[in-house]
Amino acid sequence: RKEVEQDPGPFNVPEGATVAFNCTYSNSASQSFFWYRQDCRKEPKLLMSVYSSGNEDGRFTAQLNRASQYISLLIRDSKLSDSATYLCVAYGQNFVFGPGTRLSVLP
Amino acid sequence: NAGVMQNPRHLVRRRGQEARLRCSPMKGHSHVYWYRQLPEEGLKFMVYLQKENIIDESGMPKERFSAEFPKEGPSILRIQQVVRGDSAAYFCASSPSREEGYTFGSGTRLTVV
Repeated sequence: RKEVEQDPGPFNVPEGATVAFNCTYSNSASQSFFWYRQDCRKEPKLLMSVYSSGNEDGRFTAQLNRASQYISLLIRDSKLSDSATYLCVAYGQNFVFGPGTRLSVLP
Repeated sequence: NAGVMQNPRHLVRRRGQEARLRCSPMKGHSHVYWYRQLPEEGLKFMVYLQKENIIDESGMPKERFSAEFPKEGPSILRIQQVVRGDSAAYFCASSPSREEGYTFGSGTRLTVV
């Protein structure tokens, strides 16, 4: 079993849609969690950290459920520019990246 | 404040040659990480270094690959006797401490012909 798993995707959604990404991690000792986005042939960029209390940044909301070892990312009112691959990251001993879920927002 | 600088951006090597990839971390960052990304695949951890020390190299292939982060100068990822399967994007990241989010460089795309 992979240490960090994500929805296989790809997700194709119309502009304005709400889309949710799911992620699970297997290492219960993981301490910190993040969402990164990666555009095609570019480097990953930090989108947001994920806290147990949940956190929101504009149209983006991240949630963490430690009991279920589950992380989510919700994007509301999706824009064309949101099209990218979204990477879930769990930090235990090292940063472990999930395989990513590709999102295409269609006009 | 320059970000993480990697060079070269693109590198072409013939089978059997050596590839040297350089990474200068962000100012104030002493933790450096190297990741490899094969086409259409996720990021795979290779090695974690802190000035002059290799902290974790559990993701490094046992042969041909080495990394260093000297007291002065950039971190270097060295691949000897490259093979076609080494073709990938190699990303370097840095952070001010181990637990904080990484900042990635723009990567070096290695093509072995």
